[in-house]
Amino acid sequence: GDSVTQMEGPVTLSEEAFLTINCTYTATGYPSLFWYVQYPGEGLQLLLKATKADDKGSNKGFEATYRKETTSFHLEKGSVQVSDSAVYFCALKAAGNKLTFGGGTRVLVKP
Amino acid sequence: NAGVTQTPKFRVLKTGQSMTLLCAQDMNHEYMYWYRQDPGMGLRLIHYSVGEGTTAKGEVPDGYNVSRLKKQNFLLGLESAAPSQTSVYFCASSYRGQGANTEAFFGQGTRLTVV
Repeated sequence: GDSVTQMEGPVTLSEEAFLTINCTYTATGYPSLFWYVQYPGEGLQLLLKATKADDKGSNKGFEATYRKETTSFHLEKGSVQVSDSAVYFCALKAAGNKLTFGGGTRVLVKP
Repeated sequence: NAGVTQTPKFRVLKTGQSMTLLCAQDMNHEYMYWYRQDPGMGLRLIHYSVGEGTTAKGEVPDGYNVSRLKKQNFLLGLESAAPSQTSVYFCASSYRGQGANTEAFFGQGTRLTVV
């Protein structure tokens, strides 16, 4: 079945550091890929998405590129802020339209 | 713009009690989902619905039932609550199909404690 694997956290960084969160997937067909963010005490919000190979999703300084050859969708940000502290979820939507999530990666950015 | 609204936001149940969680969306989405979120386990799909009057089992359906009598509402029921069902429950909805417009929108969550 479909599955998403992302790096375990927590990831602790200093402000202005570079952030990478790895995400790989297994799916039938050609899934759409998503990154969601969950701030403390809140629900999930869509951060960015990509719907076909080589697409790059971007939002709020975050980027991720849909790499079909490596079945990956790694999230990156060049200079993190304290306000980026959150839990980040990689997800895919494939045949059947079920949204499958990875385990989440907690990111803590210190001043 | 309400989006996806879950009620209640918090609830404490005794083992064996029953309850229903309500999810309502005002975006005319065909698909609706119920997830549970547990520490270190991400989100796991309980049940989902691809349209009014239809439901299907997800990854962890045991102990839960659902109904989708109206397109805008998706109810999650616990007939006899157990401590293992202590969790945060999220409802989500999306348009049908693949592609750029199929992102899921989430509610704020319901924190359920079973004692």
